Amino acid sequence: EAQVTQNPRYLITVTGKKLTVTCSQNMNHEYMSWYRQDPGLGLRQIYYSMNVEVTDKGDVPEGYKVSRKEKRNFPLILESPSPNQTSLYFCASGDPSAGNNEQFFGPGTRLTVL
Amino acid sequence: RKEVEQDPGPFNVPEGATVAFNCTYSNSASQSFFWYRQDCRKEPKLLMSVYSSGNEDGRFTAQLNRASQYISLLIRDSKLSDSATYLCVVTKPNTDKLIFGTGTRLQVFP
Repeated sequence: EAQVTQNPRYLITVTGKKLTVTCSQNMNHEYMSWYRQDPGLGLRQIYYSMNVEVTDKGDVPEGYKVSRKEKRNFPLILESPSPNQTSLYFCASGDPSAGNNEQFFGPGTRLTVL
Repeated sequence: RKEVEQDPGPFNVPEGATVAFNCTYSNSASQSFFWYRQDCRKEPKLLMSVYSSGNEDGRFTAQLNRASQYISLLIRDSKLSDSATYLCVVTKPNTDKLIFGTGTRLQVFP
């Protein structure tokens, strides 16, 4: 089944404790992206990657890191989480070279930073 | 001004009703437009792309008005299962980046 998976789905942590949210897709997509979704603000892009070893900042990259060592994986790293990073996070992948901009989303990770 | 603006709703409609949502976008050079659907606590999923000539998919009709920079979604014969948040999405010109509206919530009641 074609899908995007994220882990963990739910996480409660404390300020300053490094964490990683994994994202994996099995559709051989070149494009992958991380978003956060907050009430009243919609989905905002954190980072994106056009291909392996190519990553770029989105609209709200501060406090986050990403890596793209393999095509299928795009982990999101919070080196020192803070309460304002409490949010719902979605990973997405797509294939712009196919001529459409449809993105497929993972199920989301709900993060709470105390 | 937000890049993509939507009325947050909620729109509360009875089953069988026709309901329409509008969305405006700020960058006249945007090229691609979409409606995504998001169920409560779930991920967004593509509902339909929006083409210049307008397009229909079953009970759903999408329209684009470039001159006025708005996109619409019409749902006919609403079903209970249509209850969700509908996200208007526009691509940033010359990129593959998607700009999401904050969504319009629809609640269909029996």
